[in-house]
Amino acid sequence: EDKVVQSPLSLVVHEGDTVTLNCSYEVTNFRSLLWYKQEKKAPTFLFMLTSSGIEKKSGRLSSILDKKELFSILNITATQTGDSAIYLCAVGVYQGGSEKLVFGKGTKLTVNP
Amino acid sequence: DTGVSQDPRHKITKRGQNVTFRCDPISEHNRLYWYRQTLGQGPEFLTYFQNEAQLEKSRLLSDRFSAERPKGSFSTLEIQRTEQGDSAMYLCASSLVGFHEQYFGPGTRLTVT
Repeated sequence: EDKVVQSPLSLVVHEGDTVTLNCSYEVTNFRSLLWYKQEKKAPTFLFMLTSSGIEKKSGRLSSILDKKELFSILNITATQTGDSAIYLCAVGVYQGGSEKLVFGKGTKLTVNP
Repeated sequence: DTGVSQDPRHKITKRGQNVTFRCDPISEHNRLYWYRQTLGQGPEFLTYFQNEAQLEKSRLLSDRFSAERPKGSFSTLEIQRTEQGDSAMYLCASSLVGFHEQYFGPGTRLTVT
């Protein structure tokens, strides 16, 4: 069965700290790894990673994928209170002509002022 | 706003009643997905469409659940004879065909009393 595991499940930091969120996976027919940010609503797309070792960056957020070790990390530097959210990792899998996302449980990040 | 929209945003129903939710994807997106999310969990895949064809259904989708996308545009998800265990956030997402990220709607929160 396809599995995505995120750690830690929750994290509390102070504004200005740097955080690293982890995502490991065991799936058949890996296609991509995606990170989403979820506040009190639907997940919003952050990054999609398909190749190992290539960092994707957007402002203070960056992410990298290691397809050999089957994990990804999401880094957030100089955290702000607005970064408080649940960060979801999802792996795109391809099975029998169909594609779907398999999600982890998420990491709940709380940034205190 | 040309993002994914869902209606209603909230639904409270009594056990045993039928409910129907609607999703309007991003207009140029061929693929439409339904997910269910409960507290503390990541979204779980339910089913997806490519144009009007339903290509996969999760085993989570019991016989009481049915989804349609009659003209390849909007989709509906119906739950018959609702049970308390159906209480969850129902998320819709859309994407282009191929290797592309999924964009989520705001979700419909269902409460079965």
